[in-house]
Amino acid sequence: DTGVSQDPRHKITKRGQNVTFRCDPISEHNRLYWYRQTLGQGPEFLTYFQNEAQLEKSRLLSDRFSAERPKGSFSTLEIQRTEQGDSAMYLCASSLGTTGELFFGEGSRLTVL
Amino acid sequence: AQSVTQLDSQVPVFEEAPVELRCNYSSSVSVYLFWYVQYPNQGLQLLLKYLSGSTLVKGINGFEAEFNKSQTSFHLRKPSVHISDTAEYFCAVSDVGDSSYKLIFGSGTRLLVRP
Repeated sequence: DTGVSQDPRHKITKRGQNVTFRCDPISEHNRLYWYRQTLGQGPEFLTYFQNEAQLEKSRLLSDRFSAERPKGSFSTLEIQRTEQGDSAMYLCASSLGTTGELFFGEGSRLTVL
Repeated sequence: AQSVTQLDSQVPVFEEAPVELRCNYSSSVSVYLFWYVQYPNQGLQLLLKYLSGSTLVKGINGFEAEFNKSQTSFHLRKPSVHISDTAEYFCAVSDVGDSSYKLIFGSGTRLLVRP
């Protein structure tokens, strides 16, 4: 399977704990995006990378959130001191950056108790 | 600022009936338009896209959409739905001049196909 893969698929944590999600994009794609999707809503843009550079961050990305793409390949999204409001599906997508067609992974569902 | 409105949160329809899912967008510039489908506990899959050219766009699984610039709409249609089309459908927009190519999504429409 050469699609976008995300790990873990599900994460249950207690409030105040830190969590990290990993995304492996399609290998030839230079752009990588993170989105958050809450129940009954559409995906909301969080941030994106072109190669290893983080070029844009949404105001939704509070200082408890940090994303990296150290070698321009896989990316991690870390949430520190989780809150119940962080419960959501975190979606990763990648693209070639030419027409905006994004290829999505199956998401990482976070539940904060 | 861009925004996408999907007026119908849920559309129930009987199997083999036609369906239209509505999408309107707000943007001051030229746009690319997309429809994605999401099945339960899965990621989003591209159904079709409008980049330029013909305003009638055909996608996978028998879906099509028509771009109407004057009405800023991009409605999704299928002439005959199947039970397997039951899913969440998202309309999305991207500004042509936005080098990020990020997508702005609507809130989604749940298509419920009944036998």
